[in-house]
Amino acid sequence: EVQLVESGGGLVQPGGSLRLSCAASGFTFSSYSMHWVRQAPGKGLEYVSAIGADGGSTYYANSLKARFTISRDNSKNTLYLQMGGLRAEDMAVYYCARSEGGGTYYRYWGQGTLVTVSS
Amino acid sequence: DIQMTQSPSSLSASVGDRVTITCRASQTIITYLNWYQQIPGKAPNLLIYATSNLQSGVPSRFSGSGSGTDFTLTISSLQPEDFATYFCQQTYSSSWTFGQGTKVEIK
Repeated sequence: EVQLVESGGGLVQPGGSLRLSCAASGFTFSSYSMHWVRQAPGKGLEYVSAIGADGGSTYYANSLKARFTISRDNSKNTLYLQMGGLRAEDMAVYYCARSEGGGTYYRYWGQGTLVTVSS
Repeated sequence: DIQMTQSPSSLSASVGDRVTITCRASQTIITYLNWYQQIPGKAPNLLIYATSNLQSGVPSRFSGSGSGTDFTLTISSLQPEDFATYFCQQTYSSSWTFGQGTKVEIK
């Protein structure tokens, strides 16, 4: 069974940093591109970042302006999102998701981890 | 980024109704269009990928169509478990984007 379990969310002050993790199991992690998607409270879904199966290619939403860094450790079956310069508008549930179909849709999602940015 | 615009933003319907949700892209996305259903407090669930392909396990009352910039999700006969929010998503560009969502409520 494919499982994606996010962790690392919590309360952080504006300007602070946080690292999210997504532990994968039930599939060959190193064979799939992985993504982060976020959802602000009561709002829609927003693509955050993606990383290729071998970690060699990364993509970011233009709005993030290099404050976030995606990475992965295929030996640990874990995806990461390092977030810096956090702002109130970054407050959201962050989901990790597995890219399917040659990289064209998400079949599997984690349960999400909540990031709260507040002083 | 490619902008995705869904309409309506919300709708009220009764069990058994036929429901149509539209999604328009700001430029052509060919058929790189997916639909997700989200129940409050849960992760999104894939319904349809590549415009018209029904994900395994999804009831056949869900269908999708379109190409280029205009796409449609249709629920042929709304069931109680279908009251949720629906999102379209384009995966044509390297920066995937979602529509703002359509909330389907009970009339």
